[in-house]
Amino acid sequence: DSGVTQTPKHLITATGQRVTLRCSPRSGDLSVYWYQQSLDQGLQFLIQYYNGEERAKGNILERFSAQQFPDLHSELNLSSLELGDSALYFCASSVGSSRVDFGPGTRLTVL
Amino acid sequence: GEDVEQSLFLSVREGDSSVINCTYTDSSSTYLYWYKQEPGAGLQLLTYIFSNMDMKQDQRLTVLLNKKDKHLSLRIADTQTGDSAIYFCAERPGNNAGNMLTFGGGTRLMVKP
Repeated sequence: DSGVTQTPKHLITATGQRVTLRCSPRSGDLSVYWYQQSLDQGLQFLIQYYNGEERAKGNILERFSAQQFPDLHSELNLSSLELGDSALYFCASSVGSSRVDFGPGTRLTVL
Repeated sequence: GEDVEQSLFLSVREGDSSVINCTYTDSSSTYLYWYKQEPGAGLQLLTYIFSNMDMKQDQRLTVLLNKKDKHLSLRIADTQTGDSAIYFCAERPGNNAGNMLTFGGGTRLMVKP
C-alpha cells in the first residue's frame, strides 16, 4: 500500500459528460501529480500541484483542470468527455524530490 | 527532449535472473525509478536511484546505472511467477521546475514455471 488513495476505482460515463476524480496524497506529502495511462500514449504527465499551487503542466487538455485543496487532497476535472479520454488516471505524491508513490488509479470508460 | 526507451518483452524461466534494460536521453537526470504494474493494478514503486550512484541493491533487486551511456538496468534474482508484470523505467529530469517523471513504454516480463 503506497498510502496514496484515489476514488472512484472505476467510472463509466457518456461522451459530453463531466467527471471528477479525487486523490488523497500520502500523509506528509505536499506534491500531487496527475498522470494518464492509455494504450496508445503510455504514461503521460498531466499536471503537478505543490502545497496548493500549480507547479508544472504537461500534456493536459484545456477540457481538463485540477486543483489542490488546503487539506492537500486534489481533484482532476474532465469535461466534454470524448471516447479518446478513456484511460487509467493515476495520482502520485511526493514529499521531496526523490520518492514518488502512485495511487491505484481510476479507470475511466467513456461510452 | 526527454526520451526513455525500453524493450517491449522479456521471457525467463522461474528461478533464473531477469535483466530489464532502459536507456534515457537527458544527461541532467537526477533520479531514476523502476515501477511494477500488475494486470489491472496501479504502479508499485520498486526502487529508485540517485544519479550519482552506480548501483543499488534491495533484496532480490539490483539496479545498475551507467550515467556515461545513460543506461539503467533492473536485475531480479531468482525470478518467481509472481514477478510477471509490466516494469516501467522513469527518469526525473534535472532541469525542470517540477518533479514530474518521464516514463518508458514498459517491459512485459513473463516468467515461465
